[in-house]
Amino acid sequence: RKEVEQDPGPFNVPEGATVAFNCTYSNSASQSFFWYRQDCRKEPKLLMSVYSSGNEDGRFTAQLNRASQYISLLIRDSKLSDSATYLCVSRNTDKLIFGTGTRLQVFP
Amino acid sequence: DTEVTQTPKHLVMGMTNKKSLKCEQHMGHRAMYWYKQKAKKPPELMFVYSYEKLSINESVPSRFSPECPNSSLLNLHLHALQPEDSALYLCASSQGTSNNEQFFGPGTRLTVL
Repeated sequence: RKEVEQDPGPFNVPEGATVAFNCTYSNSASQSFFWYRQDCRKEPKLLMSVYSSGNEDGRFTAQLNRASQYISLLIRDSKLSDSATYLCVSRNTDKLIFGTGTRLQVFP
Repeated sequence: DTEVTQTPKHLVMGMTNKKSLKCEQHMGHRAMYWYKQKAKKPPELMFVYSYEKLSINESVPSRFSPECPNSSLLNLHLHALQPEDSALYLCASSQGTSNNEQFFGPGTRLTVL
């Protein structure tokens, strides 16, 4: 079983739609969590950290449920520029553990 | 300045060549990382340097040799690579090694012929 699991998608959504990605992690010792986005042939870029209290950054909302070992990312009012692969990431001391990524394609 | 830079952007090398990848950050970060990423896969950790000392080697073959000359620089020396080593090599840095976000450079796309 992978340590961080995500639905690989693709999720194909129209502009303006709301889309949610889910992720589960198996290592209860994981200390912190992040969402990164990666465009084709580019480096991963940090989208946001994820906190137990939930956090929001503009159209993006991330939530962490430690009891269920579950992380989510909600994107509201999708834009064409949101098309990318979204990587769910856990951190345990020195190591980042990446999920396989969820591909999002937003169409006009 | 929140940037990690990497050179070269692209590298093509033969199996008998020796080459080096370079990474630099000026954010005062004390941890630096090398990752390897194959197409349609997530990044895989190779090495971690903390305070200029190697703290993690993820069982990487010895044909990859990391070096941290100072707190801002990280090199990856390559020798006798195989075609299956062709990948995107990403450098990252973070403030420390626990709980901090990592910031990635643009990567070096390596092709081994």
